[in-house]
Amino acid sequence: DAGVTQSPTHLIKTRGQQVTLRCSPKSGHDTVSWYQQALGQGPQFIFQYYEEEERQRGNFPDRFSGHQFPNYSSELNVNALLLGDSALYLCASSLFGTEEYNEQFFGPGTRLTVL
Amino acid sequence: AQSVSQHNHHVILSEAASLELGCNYSYGGTVNLFWYVQYPGQHLQLLLKYFSGDPLVKGIKGFEAEFIKSKFSFNLRKPSVQWSDTAEYFCAVNERFSGGYNKLIFGAGTRLAVHP
Repeated sequence: DAGVTQSPTHLIKTRGQQVTLRCSPKSGHDTVSWYQQALGQGPQFIFQYYEEEERQRGNFPDRFSGHQFPNYSSELNVNALLLGDSALYLCASSLFGTEEYNEQFFGPGTRLTVL
Repeated sequence: AQSVSQHNHHVILSEAASLELGCNYSYGGTVNLFWYVQYPGQHLQLLLKYFSGDPLVKGIKGFEAEFIKSKFSFNLRKPSVQWSDTAEYFCAVNERFSGGYNKLIFGAGTRLAVHP
């Protein structure tokens, strides 16, 4: 049973550039959430996708956008990168409408460094 | 909005010592509570969860947590830690929205170092 996978593992960008991170949910899951984990902090919710639509959004600027595809995989896009965007970006999946939906399964994350 | 407080940012213990990590949340309604662990170089893994029922929940690797509704607390415990428990521990609570959607609110984490 494949867990949540993310790519790439590491990424180095410079300020002002754009980045796309990818996530494949756990087999059987249909909901994808993205979190940002800055160094020394807990993960912070960015947004959640279900049925290819953004359903909830955390306190992140519009530079952060996403997409969900018909196969439930998802992308996180960040435009006009700032130094403060350096973090571990976590993808989590769950199955909407079930008790399991309340529990999210996390991927290994993508470490983004902005220089 | 929900918030989660973890009282200890860094804890250092010797093997076989007992562990208790504090966690308090702010929401007074129905909550789902979680403890996640992040071992060095690994992804977040669920240690245990509380949805309803017995407030004392057992998790993996000998961990347990007690939900005390009157204190808004969900403290993590282990009677005897091992060197392999060295990791970062995160308490989290589910915040629910209309339409049945939710998100996890995490505490800042507690970094545990266990010395042999």
